[in-house]
Amino acid sequence: GAGVSQSPSNKVTEKGKDVELRCDPISGHTALYWYRQSLGQGLEFLIYFQGNSAPDKSGLPSDRFSAERTGGSVSTLTIQRTQQEDSAVYLCASSLQAFKDQPQHFGDGTRLSIL
Amino acid sequence: ILNVEQSPQSLHVQEGDSTNFTCSFPSSNFYALHWYRWETAKSPEALFVMTLNGDEKKKGRISATLNTKEGYSYLYIKGSQPEDSATYLCAFSRDTPLVFGKGTRLSVIA
Repeated sequence: GAGVSQSPSNKVTEKGKDVELRCDPISGHTALYWYRQSLGQGLEFLIYFQGNSAPDKSGLPSDRFSAERTGGSVSTLTIQRTQQEDSAVYLCASSLQAFKDQPQHFGDGTRLSIL
Repeated sequence: ILNVEQSPQSLHVQEGDSTNFTCSFPSSNFYALHWYRWETAKSPEALFVMTLNGDEKKKGRISATLNTKEGYSYLYIKGSQPEDSATYLCAFSRDTPLVFGKGTRLSVIA
């Protein structure tokens, strides 16, 4: 497809379970970003990749969160032992390169609800 | 901690009205200022990326200006239409990943 693709679009799970969110960036985009938006909050940066490496993981809220990217393409964000405060919309974006003057192209997001 | 403030938080205008909103950001070590439009049930869409003080960008009825010395950007919409209803986000970068404001939610009433 032409755009950034995220799956699943919605995920409901019980507290304590692990979840895996997937992002398929635009072909040829070397930079990939993960954000989340909790209710009433702005977009919060989580992590970004340049190629397969993650130069900045400073936004990951806790060690329950991890992310990887393979083949310079698809990325997965994993949340272990989910908590209710993890409920949010998780957005993925990509750009040609990780330069701050390039627009980011966003997916439709995954709405995660922790019961 | 970098702080990006947007005002107003929300705005209701009549179809045909022109409107504008503000994004304030730290003026030191500026690199770029982004504007995005986020419609309900869709993904955020890039409007502008601005890097130079005094920059003005235009896309149809939407335009933006940038003042890096005082740390603000204005987004203008001329002759608002119902399809302009969305949340408008600005994001600032230094040598760090983008820091987003909470957005201005615009509702255009037909």
